[in-house]
Amino acid sequence: EVQLLESGGGMVQPGGSLRLSCAASGFTFSAFAMNWVRQAPGKGLEWVAGITGSGGSSYYADSVKGRFTISRDSSKNTVHLQMNSLRAGDTARYYCAKDRTQQWLYYFDSWGQGTLVTVSS
Amino acid sequence: EIVMTQSPATLSVSPGETATLSCRANQRVKNHLAWYQQKPGQAPRLLIYGASTRATGIPARFSGSGSGTEFTLTISSLQSEDFAIYYCQQYDNWPPLTFGGGTKVEI
Repeated sequence: EVQLLESGGGMVQPGGSLRLSCAASGFTFSAFAMNWVRQAPGKGLEWVAGITGSGGSSYYADSVKGRFTISRDSSKNTVHLQMNSLRAGDTARYYCAKDRTQQWLYYFDSWGQGTLVTVSS
Repeated sequence: EIVMTQSPATLSVSPGETATLSCRANQRVKNHLAWYQQKPGQAPRLLIYGASTRATGIPARFSGSGSGTEFTLTISSLQSEDFAIYYCQQYDNWPPLTFGGGTKVEI
């Protein structure tokens, strides 16, 4: 059974940083791209970033490009999202989502329960 | 960026009825379209990919159709557990992967 467990959320002041982690199990980690998708309170879903199975390529939404960095550690079956220069508009629940393929970003066949990030002074 | 538009925003139906949800792309996305269901307090769940292929474990009352720019999710014989928010997502042209704004199916 695929399991994705996010951690690292919390409250941070504008301009601050957070590092989210997603521990994956139940599948061959390196065989699948991984993504972060966020959902602001009461709003819809927004794709944030994705990384290929090899970790060789990463992609970002324009709204976070230059501020967020996605990475993966195959030795620990973990994907990370380093979030810098946080803004109030980044307040959301952040979901880790497993992609359907290794080398491309397609759709998300498994999701974690999410971790809440609140950016407020 | 491909913009996905879902309609209606809210759909009021009764148990046992059929719900028809629409999703439109502002550019052709072939059949690279997925549907998700999200219940309150839960993560989204994949329902449909490739516009019409049900994901593992999804009941047959959920069906998807369409290609190009117009897509439909049909839920037949609605059951109480089907009342939720449904999102479409394109994966033809990225980044970014983009979602529609969602359709809330309510009683």
